[in-house]
Amino acid sequence: SQQGEEDPQALSIQEGENATMNCSYKTSINNLQWYRQNSGRGLVHLILIRSNEREKHSGRLRVTLDTSKKSSSLLITASRAADTASYFCATVSSGAGSYQLTFGKGTKLSVIP
Amino acid sequence: NAGVTQTPKFRVLKTGQSMTLLCAQDMNHEYMYWYRQDPGMGLRLIHYSVGEGTTAKGEVPDGYNVSRLKKQNFLLGLESAAPSQTSVYFCASGGQREQYFGPGTRLTVT
Repeated sequence: SQQGEEDPQALSIQEGENATMNCSYKTSINNLQWYRQNSGRGLVHLILIRSNEREKHSGRLRVTLDTSKKSSSLLITASRAADTASYFCATVSSGAGSYQLTFGKGTKLSVIP
Repeated sequence: NAGVTQTPKFRVLKTGQSMTLLCAQDMNHEYMYWYRQDPGMGLRLIHYSVGEGTTAKGEVPDGYNVSRLKKQNFLLGLESAAPSQTSVYFCASGGQREQYFGPGTRLTVT
């Protein structure tokens, strides 16, 4: 079954605005990752946050993790038309030797120029 | 570096036909994965491999077989295709911290 669930399913904003996407998961994790998928393409890794971290930054991306609520959020600041894509969270379960990612269903972001 | 490549890019099969999807990576990764992506379902893991000669089942393995005879290649086989296997298939390599994805194979089974 799907581990992560993104919210909202779809998001439409104006260029320059901030976009926030949320992800909830069900079991204990080792880390949580966010990926971007442009239409018709493969997924691209954006950022990873470990279970003992609460916040991580990378350029215009900010990720938070709340393990007590089993949730994460991805903030894209000052959005651009090129940010239009689907965004997925993926979790790696805790436990030795776990190298499987479990993906959520994704948030489709549209940035209007 | 080419990264992760997949062949073919598109394929149409009739019910009952067989085919093999090929994935190749040039990053010397031990771990490789096959996913399927269906509308509104995200990505679901079919099979994965933790090294040459080893394979394991993922979340949705039924109807698929895999082989990892060489470290750089991971093959996904459909022995008798069914319409329910119409999907986009992605191969990935990497590990616990990051996975690198191929461009996908769009398969239609009629």
